[in-house]
Amino acid sequence: DQQVKQNSPSLSVQEGRISILNCDYTNSMFDYFLWYKKYPAEGPTFLISISSIKDKNEDGRFTVFLNKSAKHLSLHIVPSQPGDSAVYFCAASALGSQGNLIFGKGTKLSVKP
Amino acid sequence: GAGVSQTPSNKVTEKGKYVELRCDPISGHTALYWYRQSLGQGPEFLIYFQGTGAADDSGLPNDRFFAVRPEGSVSTLKIQRTERGDSAVYLCASSPRPGANTGELFFGEGSRLTVL
Repeated sequence: DQQVKQNSPSLSVQEGRISILNCDYTNSMFDYFLWYKKYPAEGPTFLISISSIKDKNEDGRFTVFLNKSAKHLSLHIVPSQPGDSAVYFCAASALGSQGNLIFGKGTKLSVKP
Repeated sequence: GAGVSQTPSNKVTEKGKYVELRCDPISGHTALYWYRQSLGQGPEFLIYFQGTGAADDSGLPNDRFFAVRPEGSVSTLKIQRTERGDSAVYLCASSPRPGANTGELFFGEGSRLTVL
């Protein structure tokens, strides 16, 4: 039973437009959410995170929105660039779980020039 | 380099054999994690070390899997009597302090294990 779901396996966006990647979760004990980015043959790299006490966190072109009532978060990338093409993983952790991150299956983003 | 280093990058073995995968974390990072990523899936937590001790090994799938970190730095993941279902990329990550709420785990490139 997946606790973190990324229902879109892939997304294709034109360069310069907005990319929106979605993530749903089921465990109400999750209190911290992260997005990781992964290029082929490399390990995941941390992108941005959000605590459950917030509903938005912004870092440059990347913004994460959290809707606790809907148990939904999204990552917005604007403007999208070809170098953003990668697999994006949503991850969640519960208070006190230390390093036990629960990851979604990932969404492969392709940004076309 | 200054990142998390994992060896070997690729390992092909036969069913029933014993395998060791090594992780060299970023210098000074006290927390070390092992994850496993199967094809088409996200990383799956296996075990977390704080210093030399395993603080959480709840993700280890069965007793064929074992990990050590004897000096609080390098860690070895050991898999006995390998099965075809063990085939995956094994990812190691480290963090300067415990807890995912630091925001970042620094991952290595992974060790791809193939069990024939």
